[in-house]
Amino acid sequence: QVQLVHSGADMKKPGASVKVSCKASGYMFSSFDINWVRQATGQGLEWMGWVTPNSGNTGYAQKFQGRVTMTADISIKTAYMELSSLTSEDTAVYYCARSFTGVEKGVDYWSQGTLVTVSS
Amino acid sequence: QSVLTQPPSVSAAPGQKVTISCSGSSSDIGNNYVSWYQHLPGAAPKLLIYENNKRPSGIPDRFSASKSGTSATLDITGLQTGDEADYYCGTWDIGLVARVFGTGTKVTVL
Repeated sequence: QVQLVHSGADMKKPGASVKVSCKASGYMFSSFDINWVRQATGQGLEWMGWVTPNSGNTGYAQKFQGRVTMTADISIKTAYMELSSLTSEDTAVYYCARSFTGVEKGVDYWSQGTLVTVSS
Repeated sequence: QSVLTQPPSVSAAPGQKVTISCSGSSSDIGNNYVSWYQHLPGAAPKLLIYENNKRPSGIPDRFSASKSGTSATLDITGLQTGDEADYYCGTWDIGLVARVFGTGTKVTVL
């Protein structure tokens, strides 16, 4: 079955960067986009961007442009999201989630999420 | 950040029906398919509806949805205690060139 699994939770200091991984299994990794979505405590879902593993093409929400980098390594079926210049407002659960490339069919499989805490 | 507006909460007794609205604009709902997601506390969000009204395999027909113009609606019938969760609509915004989610609606089973 389709699974998206993160490395463990992380804690960073303000100003630092965090790199979250997302390992995929159970489907052809190169054939779907990986989206990154986050949820701060008490807040809704916030889309950050996507990466197409096959091409390396990316698209980022305007809010994160210049501060986020999304990549994918097809050889190990893993996507990455790196967020820099962290502040306390970046404390959130981060999800990776699969969607079809070029076709809007929603986001059909999600990870369990990983907590990133930004604190001094 | 959300450009899709949902009611903060809806509630009903077990067995009853709730309806969740999702209001957008011509650049998002008006120009693309709508999806709906269920997010139980501590769990991964789950896709309930895609392409406005289609259910993925395994989603019961108690969940149904529709779209009209720049708005969409999710209906949950035969409400169960296990349906208590946050529900989000989502689509692609051609103006922002971004995926957008609704503000989220908490469903409470009385």
